[in-house]
Amino acid sequence: DQQVKQNSPSLSVQEGRISILNCDYTNSMFDYFLWYKKYPAEGPTFLISISSIKDKNEDGRFTVFLNKSAKHLSLHIVPSQPGDSAVYFCAASANFGNEKLTFGTGTRLTIIP
Amino acid sequence: ETGVTQSPTHLIKTRGQQVTLRCSSQSGHNTVSWYQQALGQGPQFIFQYYREEENGRGNFPPRFSGLQFPNYSSELNVNALELDDSALYLCASSLVGRINTEAFFGQGTRLTVV
Repeated sequence: DQQVKQNSPSLSVQEGRISILNCDYTNSMFDYFLWYKKYPAEGPTFLISISSIKDKNEDGRFTVFLNKSAKHLSLHIVPSQPGDSAVYFCAASANFGNEKLTFGTGTRLTIIP
Repeated sequence: ETGVTQSPTHLIKTRGQQVTLRCSSQSGHNTVSWYQQALGQGPQFIFQYYREEENGRGNFPPRFSGLQFPNYSSELNVNALELDDSALYLCASSLVGRINTEAFFGQGTRLTVV
C-alpha cells in the first residue's frame, strides 16, 4: 500500500530552467509534507516543508505547492543548478511532523549543463 | 551538516548473525527514528523511540529491536540476519512535541548480509 507516490523515477532539466517534481498521497490523515534531497552515500537532507494549513511555501530557489483536494504536492526549483542533481524524496507525516515519515520512492533529478 | 552521526558507515555480516548499529542524535532533540532503505526504494519506517521507550513501529518483525539512552543516542539491533536485510539503515532525530517539526538524518549505515 503505497501511501506516498512519486510517479516519475527520473527527470532531466536544462541548467537555468525550472525543475518540477511531483508527489501524490492517499492518506487523508497526513497534515505535514516534506521534501528531502539525497546524494549517493549520504543521508537525506531536509529541503523544505509545508503544513496542510498552507498551499505554498517558499525558501529561496525552492517552492512547494500543496493541493489538498487533489492530494498532490509539487516542488519547484528555479533556476536549476548542476548541484541540484540528486534523488528527491517526498515524505508525509501526521500530527504536524510528530508521527513517522512515509516516503515516496524518489525522483532522480539530473541538471544538464 | 545535521549533527546526527551513525556508526559504522559500512558493515558486512553473515546470514544468521546479529548486528548493532549506533546513532548519536542532534543536540536538543528528544526522539530518534530508524528507517531502512532498500535499493531503489524510499526509506521505510522501522520504529521510533521517545524518552527511552518505543513510540510507534512499522511493519518489521520482532528481530528488529532498539534502545534509546538518556543522552538520546540510540541503537538498532537486528538478530538472525537475512539476505533481505541488506540495505542502508538511516537514523533520524527530531524534537517531538513541537508543531511542524522536521526530522534530520544521519549519513546511514550500509549493511550487507552475505
